[in-house]
Amino acid sequence: DAKTTQPPSMDCAEGRAANLPCNHSTISGNEYVYWYRQIHSQGPQYIIHGLKNNETNEMASLIITEDRKSSTLILPHATLRDTAVYYCIAPPAGGAQKLVFGQGTRLTINP
Amino acid sequence: NAGVMQNPRHLVRRRGQEARLRCSPMKGHSHVYWYRQLPEEGLKFMVYLQKENIIDESGMPKERFSAEFPKEGPSILRIQQVVRGDSAAYFCASSPGPGPYLRRGGYTFGSGTRLTVV
Repeated sequence: DAKTTQPPSMDCAEGRAANLPCNHSTISGNEYVYWYRQIHSQGPQYIIHGLKNNETNEMASLIITEDRKSSTLILPHATLRDTAVYYCIAPPAGGAQKLVFGQGTRLTINP
Repeated sequence: NAGVMQNPRHLVRRRGQEARLRCSPMKGHSHVYWYRQLPEEGLKFMVYLQKENIIDESGMPKERFSAEFPKEGPSILRIQQVVRGDSAAYFCASSPGPGPYLRRGGYTFGSGTRLTVV
């Protein structure tokens, strides 16, 4: 897997946009970036993934830099229920794929 | 369309007993992944299975742990002679397949089985 680096923790005010960064400077050209989150004690939840274009879905937006060495997950209007650990993962493109979770970013949404 | 079903949700075993954790993947998913999360720690990959095949067991402890995904029925994670250190949350995920299938939407995780060894 391409190594990913995330800040261990972040805070954000309720109603504001939460921007979670991820560095993946060793990512190869055909490796996707995936974002998951784990709300306390629950199973991880898929959020979004992308290769090189920016992506948006009902949960979040993913901005990938042109050189693909970093990306930002954006939660446009954070709510208290968005408090969770967020994981950025870049699994290898070929072979038997599996997602390897790092330490992630613990995001706390404050009222 | 039921999601990934894991049972039991909570399991208590005495040291030395066997623990069997079950995972029924989403309909149409033929790939199953097991993860373990020790208290206050991150998710650790254990094993990746397809129907009747183990694809990657690089994260499985060498002894006492085994996994299977038979042609019919759920995937089973089996822990023999449990010890206190096996107390953890065990999560199962499924996907339609690797590669391009994965890129259609990632894995779907179950709610986990919390194993407590007393």
